[in-house]
Amino acid sequence: SQQGEEDPQALSIQEGENATMNCSYKTSINNLQWYRQNSGRGLVHLILIRSNEREKHSGRLRVTLDTSKKSSSLLITASRAADTASYFCASDMVDYKLSFGAGTTVTVRA
Amino acid sequence: NAGVTQTPKFRVLKTGQSMTLLCAQDMNHEYMYWYRQDPGMGLRLIHYSVGEGTTAKGEVPDGYNVSRLKKQNFLLGLESAAPSQTSVYFCASRPGQNTEAFFGQGTRLTVV
Repeated sequence: SQQGEEDPQALSIQEGENATMNCSYKTSINNLQWYRQNSGRGLVHLILIRSNEREKHSGRLRVTLDTSKKSSSLLITASRAADTASYFCASDMVDYKLSFGAGTTVTVRA
Repeated sequence: NAGVTQTPKFRVLKTGQSMTLLCAQDMNHEYMYWYRQDPGMGLRLIHYSVGEGTTAKGEVPDGYNVSRLKKQNFLLGLESAAPSQTSVYFCASRPGQNTEAFFGQGTRLTVV
């Protein structure tokens, strides 16, 4: 079974609003990563947060990690139409696997 | 610098046929991965490799085989294709643990 699960499955917001999505995972991880996919193309890496970190920022992205709850969240601030995409969390596991969840589809309305 | 290149980009197979998908990376990465993506399922790990000559099973390995004879190439084989293997296949590579992965553009496979 897959390691991660994202919530919600889909999200529709107005341009300028913030988008928040959550990820839960099952087993121990070295780090948690977030990726973005546009229209069935290859995934692009957004941000990596290590297991000993609690929060990380990159531009308009903010990621949190709670290892006690085995969960992470991705916040995109001041969203733009170009942020419309699917977002996936990936668990970098101790056995070298990089396991993805089912993703959150974000639609940003102009 | 091409990154991760997948060949072919599209393929239609008849049930029972065999084929090999090629993933090539020019970044000297140690780790390579094969995933399949189906609607609503996200990416599921088929097989992976942490170095030349090594392979390991992922979450959905049945019906697939892999080989990593050269560091830069990771081959995914379907010995006897089934309609359930209709999917988009993605290859990824990365230098090692605690690093980001780089993805190919995908191979859309249809088995009829």
